[in-house]
Amino acid sequence: AQKITQTQPGMFVQEKEAVTLDCTYDTSDQSYGLFWYKQPSSGEMIFLIYQGSYDEQNATEGRYSLNFQKARKSANLVISASQLGDSAMYFCAMGTSGGSYIPTFGRGTSLIVHP
Amino acid sequence: DVKVTQSSRYLVKRTGEKVFLECVQDMDHENMFWYRQDPGLGLRLIYFSYDVKMKEKGDIPEGYSVSREKKERFSLILESASTNQTSMYLCASSPPAGEGSPLHFGNGTRLTVT
Repeated sequence: AQKITQTQPGMFVQEKEAVTLDCTYDTSDQSYGLFWYKQPSSGEMIFLIYQGSYDEQNATEGRYSLNFQKARKSANLVISASQLGDSAMYFCAMGTSGGSYIPTFGRGTSLIVHP
Repeated sequence: DVKVTQSSRYLVKRTGEKVFLECVQDMDHENMFWYRQDPGLGLRLIYFSYDVKMKEKGDIPEGYSVSREKKERFSLILESASTNQTSMYLCASSPPAGEGSPLHFGNGTRLTVT
């Protein structure tokens, strides 16, 4: 079985500061992929960043980076230089080889960026 | 860009009605998914499909069925709607399942059952 845990229901950050959103996962599979999605208040789910289990480097996409610590089974999302438009729900997801790579999602973290 | 279109943004139905939620994607993706999103529970998988006429149950299939007669279209059916099916429903598609295939989502259908 695969499981994703996001322990922060809500987070607040000041504009232009960095913020880390936590995600831990549990799987016995050796091959898996980790994803982060953003959901603004408009409702659409936007893919942000991906990390494969065999990737040695942390993934980065613009202001987003994924702090992948395999031994600790964590895949935290780091947003640098927060902007007001970053206010949204953020979901961590995982697909594993044993689960046919069908994504399982965490419960999400609501991020509010203050001016 | 991949486009996933859900036919309705908002729906209000009565208890006991048969409800159809339609989803169409334009990128020839093999995989299509239906998720349900509830506050505090994240996204939960209802059904998914690897190919035309193929379907697999997800984590919460009870009270739902699906239909995939054409590759681009994946329909979610509530056989007899109940108030506990009031929720946001999200359709998604992806290329063949692989480690790095992200999902492409529609804008969601917010269903209210009264």
